[in-house]
Amino acid sequence: SAVISQKPSRDICQRGTSLTIQCQVDSQVTMMFWYRQQPGQSLTLIATANQGSEATYESGFVIDKFPISRPNLTFSTLTVSNMSPEDSSIYLCSARTGQETQYFGPGTRLLVL
Amino acid sequence: EDQVTQSPEALRLQEGESSSLNCSYTVSGLRGLFWYRQDPGKGPEFLFTLYSAGEEKEKERLKATLTKKESFLHITAPKPEDSATYLCAVHNAGNNRKLIWGLGTSLAVNP
Repeated sequence: SAVISQKPSRDICQRGTSLTIQCQVDSQVTMMFWYRQQPGQSLTLIATANQGSEATYESGFVIDKFPISRPNLTFSTLTVSNMSPEDSSIYLCSARTGQETQYFGPGTRLLVL
Repeated sequence: EDQVTQSPEALRLQEGESSSLNCSYTVSGLRGLFWYRQDPGKGPEFLFTLYSAGEEKEKERLKATLTKKESFLHITAPKPEDSATYLCAVHNAGNNRKLIWGLGTSLAVNP
């Protein structure tokens, strides 16, 4: 299994600013992911964080808006850039171990005013 | 197209009233089916992974089963603390990155 922590747990931000979310896993994992979850909806994959290289983004998400870093096997960051109220959501870090199972962090609740 | 459908969308039970949640799936080569529990404002909590038809797994009052087309999450004698949204996801053979998610079943257990 994997225990995942995220910082911050929540934040309120002004339109036009940026927020960086940190994700730390307690063990080395094969893959790390970033998801977004709008209120009352299921999870939407933003991107796969690749160690030492550019993240792989899903359709509708771009690097300029959601830059991602993964400098090692246990740490990743997601930045939400030039925020608007539509970016208000829960952002979730996830990691997959050597087996298929994915574990999730507690999430970062973001409110953009 | 790969798809996961969960039913019902919402379920309200009395404490002790057993029931089942359904997750039906259409994927090209199942590599795993996953059940998660999610409390409001929190990340999904992993419950079970099922890999092949006929497989069953249990944890406390929960039991997950798998057939070639669907999975059931059986809840026996539920308690109010079992109230949560239960999410189902599948991992297919052709796409290593992405889990395919259902929309979840919101369960409320009344005391």
